[in-house]
Amino acid sequence: GEDVEQSLFLSVREGDSSVINCTYTDSSSTYLYWYKQEPGAGLQLLTYIFSNMDMKQDQRLTVLLNKKDKHLSLRIADTQTGDSAIYFCAESSLSGNTPLVFGKGTRLSVIA
Amino acid sequence: ETGVTQSPTHLIKTRGQQVTLRCSSQSGHNTVSWYQQALGQGPQFIFQYYREEENGRGNFPPRFSGLQFPNYSSELNVNALELDDSALYLCASTPGGRGTDTQYFGPGTRLTVL
Repeated sequence: GEDVEQSLFLSVREGDSSVINCTYTDSSSTYLYWYKQEPGAGLQLLTYIFSNMDMKQDQRLTVLLNKKDKHLSLRIADTQTGDSAIYFCAESSLSGNTPLVFGKGTRLSVIA
Repeated sequence: ETGVTQSPTHLIKTRGQQVTLRCSSQSGHNTVSWYQQALGQGPQFIFQYYREEENGRGNFPPRFSGLQFPNYSSELNVNALELDDSALYLCASTPGGRGTDTQYFGPGTRLTVL
């Protein structure tokens, strides 16, 4: 079945770059997403990338996709304390109305 | 703001009881999906509704059921609650009829089963 794996924890200093990694198994994944969840809150869509792209940049966020290795990363430049949250990688395949498959999330802690 | 609201925000029930959770989507969002997020886990897909009909289901028992209404609101019903049903329940709505389009999540309902 489909599976999405993420490292559970990441700690960085304020002002440094954060890189959160994700691997997935479904070769038919078409869209790959990054969501952010702050304590006690729902999921906020940060960005997504279509599987025929290698990179997508959106302000401080850079998404890299290595489709051959089924590896996705999210880089946050100039990480701020407000970036402290749990980051979820998710994938979906374009085969009808398929649901999102999420990883367990990476808890990012930003040290001032 | 995603335009997706959920109620209530918190709920406490006891084992064996029934619960109804509600979600209100943006106008024009024909697809709604429900997810269960247990503590320390990623969200797990429960089911999806498109134009008031169930349109896909995850690995959840039949005591999890849903409804979608013409006014872009929906419900998740859970019968015979078990302790393991304690979780954050998230609904997500999607513009148009394709569930693979971007899903916008509500803030969730935290259900505690005692």
